[in-house]
Amino acid sequence: AQSVTQPDIHITVSEGASLELRCNYSYGATPYLFWYVQSPGQGLQLLLKYFSGDTLVQGIKGFEAEFKRSQSSFNLRKPSVHWSDAAEYFCAVLPNAGNMLTFGGGTRLMVKP
Amino acid sequence: EPEVTQTPSHQVTQMGQEVILRCVPISNHLYFYWYRQILGQKVEFLVSFYNNEISEKSEIFDDQFSVERPDGSNFTLKIRSTKLEDSAMYFCASSSTGDGYTFGSGTRLTVV
Repeated sequence: AQSVTQPDIHITVSEGASLELRCNYSYGATPYLFWYVQSPGQGLQLLLKYFSGDTLVQGIKGFEAEFKRSQSSFNLRKPSVHWSDAAEYFCAVLPNAGNMLTFGGGTRLMVKP
Repeated sequence: EPEVTQTPSHQVTQMGQEVILRCVPISNHLYFYWYRQILGQKVEFLVSFYNNEISEKSEIFDDQFSVERPDGSNFTLKIRSTKLEDSAMYFCASSSTGDGYTFGSGTRLTVV
C-alpha cells in the first residue's frame, strides 16, 4: 500500500536559517507529489506540486522542493526562514491514476527569533 | 483567487445527532472531496465525488456518512448519528482535473 513518511515530527530553526523538511513515499510508480502548509486553525494551502519534468519545483512563499526518484523523496526547502513560516507542513501523494490524496503525518515547524 | 468555502467554521453537536457540513467548491471544478483530520493525527481521505456520484471512498466512510450535491453550487457531508470519535476538522476540496486540489479552511466538529 502506498504511504508517505515525514520523519521529523517537530523542527525548530532560527529566523534567517535555511530549512529542509523531508518526505519519502512508497509507491510503485511515481505519483504526483504535493506540499501543503497549515497555519494554526487554518485550512491547507498548497505550496507546490510535482507532476513531471524538471525535478526542482518552485512554489509560493519562497519554497522549493526537489524530486529524487532514486530516493523516493520530495524534500521541501527554503533558503531563509521567516517567523511567519511557523506552521505545520504536510507532504502528500496522489497516484496518477487515482484521486485519493495520501498525506504524511506532518512536520511542525517552529521558528526562533 | 477562487476559494473553496466551508460553513460553519465550528460546529458543536450532541452525540447521536445528525450534522450537515457544507461546502461551496470552486465554480468550474468537477471533482469534490471530503477529508478529515482528527486532532494531532494525519489528514485522511473520506470520499471523492464526480459526475453526481461517489467515485471513491475510504473505510472511514461508512453508512453513517453520506454526501450530496443538492444544487449547482453546494456539496454537503452528512453524518447521520454522530459519535465522539467523529470529532475532527473536516476539509472540503475541489479540483478541475482531479490532480490539483484546492482545500477549504475546514469545519471543526466537536461531538459532546
